[in-house]
Amino acid sequence: RKEVEQDPGPFNVPEGATVAFNCTYSNSASQSFFWYRQDCRKEPKLLMSVYSSGNEDGRFTAQLNRASQYISLLIRDSKLSDSATYLCVVNIAGNTPLVFGKGTRLSVIA
Amino acid sequence: EPEVTQTPSHQVTQMGQEVILRCVPISNHLYFYWYRQILGQKVEFLVSFYNNEISEKSEIFDDQFSVERPDGSNFTLKIRSTKLEDSAMYFCASSEARAQRGRTGELFFGEGSRLTVL
Repeated sequence: RKEVEQDPGPFNVPEGATVAFNCTYSNSASQSFFWYRQDCRKEPKLLMSVYSSGNEDGRFTAQLNRASQYISLLIRDSKLSDSATYLCVVNIAGNTPLVFGKGTRLSVIA
Repeated sequence: EPEVTQTPSHQVTQMGQEVILRCVPISNHLYFYWYRQILGQKVEFLVSFYNNEISEKSEIFDDQFSVERPDGSNFTLKIRSTKLEDSAMYFCASSEARAQRGRTGELFFGEGSRLTVL
């Protein structure tokens, strides 16, 4: 099983739609979870950290399910500017460096 | 807003040459990283650096690679004897601290240095 797995997409959704991405991770000892966003040929940018209790930032909601070892990202009321690749990022165990998934591509269409 | 800066933004080199990629991490950050991304592939960890020494490195980071913090601000990645497959975007990142209880702090990335090996 790969360390961090994501559905590559692409997800093509109309403006205003709600879209959800899932990500699974292999190591039950992982402690740190993040969603990053990457625009084409740009650097990854932190979208949000993911906490055990789940967290929300405006239109974005992140959830963590430790039992099933997955995290999710929900985007409500999609905007054209949300079009990007969304990267699931996890530390595999303890204080290890962060490992990136391959990313899920989202295209929001007018 | 403080940011990580990288130079050069793009470097073209001949196979076998040495390149040095430079990074200035965010000033109060203590942990520094290099990641790379081959076109169309995922972001891959190369090396982490703390307290003037390498703290972890991946399988990719072999003897061809080295890192240095020559002064209080710069953090460099040297690639010796470049190969075609070294062509990639190289991202420098920094984090303020390792969070406690086994958690890793969030990373802030520079805009990257695109390396093209011909």
